[in-house]
Amino acid sequence: TQLLEQSPQFLSIQEGENLTVYCNSSSVFSSLQWYRQEPGEGPVLLVTVVTGGEVKKLKRLTFQFGDARKDSSLHITAAQPGDTGLYLCAGEGYKLSFGAGTTVTVRA
Amino acid sequence: NAGVTQTPKFRVLKTGQSMTLLCAQDMNHEYMYWYRQDPGMGLRLIHYSVGEGTTAKGEVPDGYNVSRLKKQNFLLGLESAAPSQTSVYFCASSWTVSGANVLTFGAGSRLTVL
Repeated sequence: TQLLEQSPQFLSIQEGENLTVYCNSSSVFSSLQWYRQEPGEGPVLLVTVVTGGEVKKLKRLTFQFGDARKDSSLHITAAQPGDTGLYLCAGEGYKLSFGAGTTVTVRA
Repeated sequence: NAGVTQTPKFRVLKTGQSMTLLCAQDMNHEYMYWYRQDPGMGLRLIHYSVGEGTTAKGEVPDGYNVSRLKKQNFLLGLESAAPSQTSVYFCASSWTVSGANVLTFGAGSRLTVL
C-alpha cells in the first residue's frame, strides 16, 4: 500500500487541453514535492510546497498544497507534447515517500 | 556541473552473480540515497547515507549493501543477484529548498537478473 496515492494512474489528452493530477494521503507532511520523469532519465524536481494552502505557479503549471498538508494537486493549462512524462509526488515526513506516479501523454 | 552520475547504465547478470553500482556527485551534498523503481510501485528507498562513512537502511534493504568511503561517492552492491532485483536503480543526493529536503537524481542504472 502506497503512503501517497496518485490519480489517475494514466492520462492521455490532446494538445491544448487542461489536466489535473492528484496526490492524496492520510499522513501530514512538512513538504510536498513534484517531480517529472522522462523515459530513460531520472526524476527532475518541478516544485516544492511547504505551507498548507500554498499555491505555486510555474508558467502553465499550477501546484496546490492542501490546507491540512495531506494532499496536493498539479494542474497543467493548455498542455503541450513536451509535458509528456511520469509525474511523481513525494511527501516529506520523517523520510521522503513517493507516490507511484501518473503517466501523462499529450498527443499533438 | 555533472550533478549525479551513475555507472553502468545497463547491466545483465545471472542469478548468483555479484556487482556494484557506482554513484558520484559533484555538488558537495551530505546526503545520498539509492532507490529502486518498479512499475506501479514508485520509488522505494534501499539505503541512504547522511555523510561520509555512515550508511542506514531504507524500506527495502535486503540483498543489498552500500558504502560511502568518500563524500562524493555512494556504492550499491549486490552480493548474490536474484531475479527479484531486476529493476531500475536511481542514485540521488539532496539539498534544501525552503527548509525542505529535495533530491537530484542520476539517470538510472537498468539491471536485469536472469
